[in-house]
Amino acid sequence: DQQVKQNSPSLSVQEGRISILNCDYTNSMFDYFLWYKKYPAEGPTFLISISSIKDKNEDGRFTVFLNKSAKHLSLHIVPSQPGDSAVYFCAAITKNTGNQFYFGTGTSLTVIP
Amino acid sequence: NAGVMQNPRHLVRRRGQEARLRCSPMKGHSHVYWYRQLPEEGLKFMVYLQKENIIDESGMPKERFSAEFPKEGPSILRIQQVVRGDSAAYFCASSLRTGLDTEAFFGQGTRLTVV
Repeated sequence: DQQVKQNSPSLSVQEGRISILNCDYTNSMFDYFLWYKKYPAEGPTFLISISSIKDKNEDGRFTVFLNKSAKHLSLHIVPSQPGDSAVYFCAAITKNTGNQFYFGTGTSLTVIP
Repeated sequence: NAGVMQNPRHLVRRRGQEARLRCSPMKGHSHVYWYRQLPEEGLKFMVYLQKENIIDESGMPKERFSAEFPKEGPSILRIQQVVRGDSAAYFCASSLRTGLDTEAFFGQGTRLTVV
């Protein structure tokens, strides 16, 4: 039962342009959402997060948007850089199971120089 | 302050052998999580432990898998009588606290290959 879904397994973007990574979820009880970035042979590293009471959170080149009615969130990277090439995982947690992160299957981003 | 340390990084086992994966959380972190990533899949929750206690093992297979987090020493994920389907990357994460607004820090993972 995949409660967090990333339907695009891969994405290619030109350097300098915007990268938009999408994530959909089914559990309306999710309270907090996170994006993790993962390089090959390394563990995921935290990138940015958003609480369900907000619709936008920005940190430098990274902005996460949350649309609760659509159960959809997205990560925008502007401008994209070659070093951003990695697999991006969306994750969600709830108050009830705050100990368990539900992860999507990941989107592999390639930024072309 | 070292990050989450997992060892070994790579582990090869023959079918039927036992695999032991170790995880040392970040200093001061008492919450440990184990996740498994199968090929072409996302990270799947396995178990959540605090010192000496298993809090949530709802993602752990009922047989052959066990986990512990003793008072002293690293957390151990143990897989008995491994089968080819156990081949995956196993990631450990730790956090300072649990609940919302919690960032989990991940180790580099142990890649288990069963031959």
